Amino acid sequence: EAGVTQFPSHSVIEKGQTVTLRCDPISGHDNLYWYRRVMGKEIKFLLHFVKESKQDESGMPNNRFLAERTGGTYSTLKVQPAELEDSGVYFCASSQDLEYNEQFFGPGTRLTVL
Amino acid sequence: AQSVSQHNHHVILSEAASLELGCNYSYGGTVNLFWYVQYPGQHLQLLLKYFSGDPLVKGIKGFEAEFIKSKFSFNLRKPSVQWSDTAEYFCAVNEDNYGQNFVFGPGTRLSVLP
Repeated sequence: EAGVTQFPSHSVIEKGQTVTLRCDPISGHDNLYWYRRVMGKEIKFLLHFVKESKQDESGMPNNRFLAERTGGTYSTLKVQPAELEDSGVYFCASSQDLEYNEQFFGPGTRLTVL
Repeated sequence: AQSVSQHNHHVILSEAASLELGCNYSYGGTVNLFWYVQYPGQHLQLLLKYFSGDPLVKGIKGFEAEFIKSKFSFNLRKPSVQWSDTAEYFCAVNEDNYGQNFVFGPGTRLSVLP
């Protein structure tokens, strides 16, 4: 069974540019989560999809971040325009079981904004 | 809001030493508890989890953790560490509710000297 995959693994962009991160969850997992770890700090929740619907987006830092999950399969997270403080590692996770919610994580995308 | 603390930022041990990493959480309700590990260059992997039942849970690679409800703690232990245990360890909590996102601790970096 393939795990959670993320693309790209590393992205370097300049301030003001746009970046789109992609996450492919484990097949059959309706729940998809985005998290972010800014350098030296804890991993923080961004948002949660159940299929194509946003269940909880309370962790999204501001309106420069837009997440989508069209069709309830893969998800994208777009940052537009990127700022220096957006640098960090963006993790995606998926889970199947709502009751126990064991989440499987992808390898992360390291975003560097110069 | 929930918060999770981990007692040590960086732990350095020699091989065969015993390990205990502390984790405390703030939420007073029913929670699910997890320890994840991130080996260098790899993605987050689940070490062990607690949902209910026996408060002493065993995970992979000889790790175990004890849930002490009265202390809001979920400390991770291993009787004898190996060089290959060098990694970053994260404690995570989610409320015992369907599909809740994780709240992570800041992580503890473990370095095991050969």
